[in-house]
Amino acid sequence: DSGVTQTPKHLITATGQRVTLRCSPRSGDLSVYWYQQSLDQGLQFLIQYYNGEERAKGNILERFSAQQFPDLHSELNLSSLELGDSALYFCASSSGPHTDTQYFGPGTRLTVL
Amino acid sequence: AQTVTQSQPEMSVQEAETVTLSCTYDTSENNYYLFWYKQPPSRQMILVIRQEAYKQQNATENRFSVNFQKAAKSFSLKISDSQLGDTAMYFCAFMRWRDDKIIFGKGTRLHILP
Repeated sequence: DSGVTQTPKHLITATGQRVTLRCSPRSGDLSVYWYQQSLDQGLQFLIQYYNGEERAKGNILERFSAQQFPDLHSELNLSSLELGDSALYFCASSSGPHTDTQYFGPGTRLTVL
Repeated sequence: AQTVTQSQPEMSVQEAETVTLSCTYDTSENNYYLFWYKQPPSRQMILVIRQEAYKQQNATENRFSVNFQKAAKSFSLKISDSQLGDTAMYFCAFMRWRDDKIIFGKGTRLHILP
């Protein structure tokens, strides 16, 4: 158990809908990262937050957004969902910026029908 | 841009054997980290081992060790005395020192056979 929690574990929804994925980092960690794992794209970095502020952005679609709250939990919002958004979404956390070790949560499996 | 290449999509070995997974990467950076992550059927991403580029000594973690060749940009993982629980997808990954995003390879699916 990495100490990172993600909810829900599974999510099934329809095209065009909006969903929110939630992540709670390990106790004491200030950085949160979101990754997407899909069959065709592999594992890709989406976005990072550090202590409430966006720090780095990767291949995140404009339909996707994220935020980190004062209690350091983070949410990833996915809107206007398409079939291709079906994937496993991981949250990871680390103690700070430029920290080598990221600890991954169990992931949320999103299925868009 | 940094890239990570794993040339072995799938491998199978007998239990108790030693297996080596290959990884090459491309970067112009001098300071970076390299990782091997394991993803078993449960889908959890588990850090197996990490290597700082400035360290010449190869990292080891129990049965897991790496062969880090900085000039050749090669980072292979050796699993000794393989066990059934080692069956998983293994991802080689790269992170620049001043950056926080991890770049993953496509993975090698490893089967440990009884």
